[in-house]
Parts: sequence; structure tokens; C-alpha cells
Amino acid sequence: DQQVKQNSPSLSVQEGRISILNCDYTNSMFDYFLWYKKYPAEGPTFLISISSIKDKNEDGRFTVFLNKSAKHLSLHIVPSQPGDSAVYFCAPGGYNQGGKLIFGQGTELSVKP
Amino acid sequence: DTAVSQTPKYLVTQMGNDKSIKCEQNLGHDTMYWYKQDSKKFLKIMFSYNNKELIINETVPNRFSPKSPDKAHLNLHINSLELGDSAVYFCASSQDFTPYGYTFGSGTRLTVV
Repeated sequence: DQQVKQNSPSLSVQEGRISILNCDYTNSMFDYFLWYKKYPAEGPTFLISISSIKDKNEDGRFTVFLNKSAKHLSLHIVPSQPGDSAVYFCAPGGYNQGGKLIFGQGTELSVKP
Repeated sequence: DTAVSQTPKYLVTQMGNDKSIKCEQNLGHDTMYWYKQDSKKFLKIMFSYNNKELIINETVPNRFSPKSPDKAHLNLHINSLELGDSAVYFCASSQDFTPYGYTFGSGTRLTVV
């Protein structure tokens, strides 16, 4: 039972353009949604988050949008930079879950110069 | 000075062997986790410990046994290794189950032959 789905395994974008990474989930009880970024041979690192009571959170070039009725969130990166090339994971969780996160299978972003 | 360090980084072993993966964090966090990234790239939680107490124990075979000698260490021991145990294992830590402060180690790639 995949509670979190990232249906695009890969995405290629030109430098300077917008990257949009999508995530769908099934559990309406999640309290927060996190995005992690992962480079090869490294562990995931926290990028940005959004609470379930909000619909948008912005941090510099990164913006996350949450559509609770559609159980869908997206990460926008603008402008995209070659250093953004990595695997991005969507990871929701709940306050009563002991810190447990449910990860999607990731989207590999490639930003070409 | 690595915040969450795992050893070894790579581990190749034969079926039936017993092996351990060690994890140490120097962040002063009170919660530590083990995640497994399988061949389909999903990161799934296996265990979490808070101040040496087991909090989360997902559906994991009994051959996997975590041990936390103190809150800075969480080791993973695996008995009678099977081919299906081949994966990348990530250790992580956080403070008070707070997902925003999750810090991952760089992973241990286990290959069972």
C-alpha cells in the first residue's frame, strides 16, 4: 500500500527554468509534509516543509504548494540551477507517529546548463 | 566532524552470515532511526529509539535487532542474512520526534551474495 506516490521518476529542466516536482498521497491524516533532497552516496537532507493547515510555503527559490482536497503537493524550484540536480523525496508524517516519515520513491531532477 | 556517522559504508557478505551496522550521532538528539531503501528506492522506517527506548518497530523480520547502548548510538544487527536484505540502510536522528530536524547518515550499502 503506497501511501505516497511520486509518479515521475525523473525530470529534466534547463537551467534558469522552473522545476515542478509532484507528490500524491492517500492518508488525509498527515499533519506535515516534508521535502528531502538527496545526492548520490549521501543521506537525504531536509529542504522545505509545509504544515497541513497551510497551502503554500516559500523559502528562497523553493516553494511548496499543498492541495488537501486533491491530496496533492508540489515543489517548485525557480530558477533551477545545475546544483539542484539530485533526487527529491516527498515525506509526510503525523504528530502522533513518533517522528515516522512516509517517503515517496523520489524524483530525479537533472538541471542542464 | 560528521553529525550522523554510519559504519561500514559498504558491506558485502554471504547468505547466512550475521553482520552489524553501527551508527553514532554527535548532535545531542534524543531520537534515532533506521530506514531501509529497497531496490524500488522507497525509504521505509524500520525502528526508532528515544532515549534508548524502542518506540517504533515496523514489520521487520526478527533477524533484525536494533541495540541502543546510549542515546548517541543505535546499532543494527542482522542474523542469517538473506538475498532480500540487500539494500541501503540509513540511520537518522532528531530531537523530540521533530521531523524538521531529521539528520541522516550517508548510508550503508549491504549486498548479500
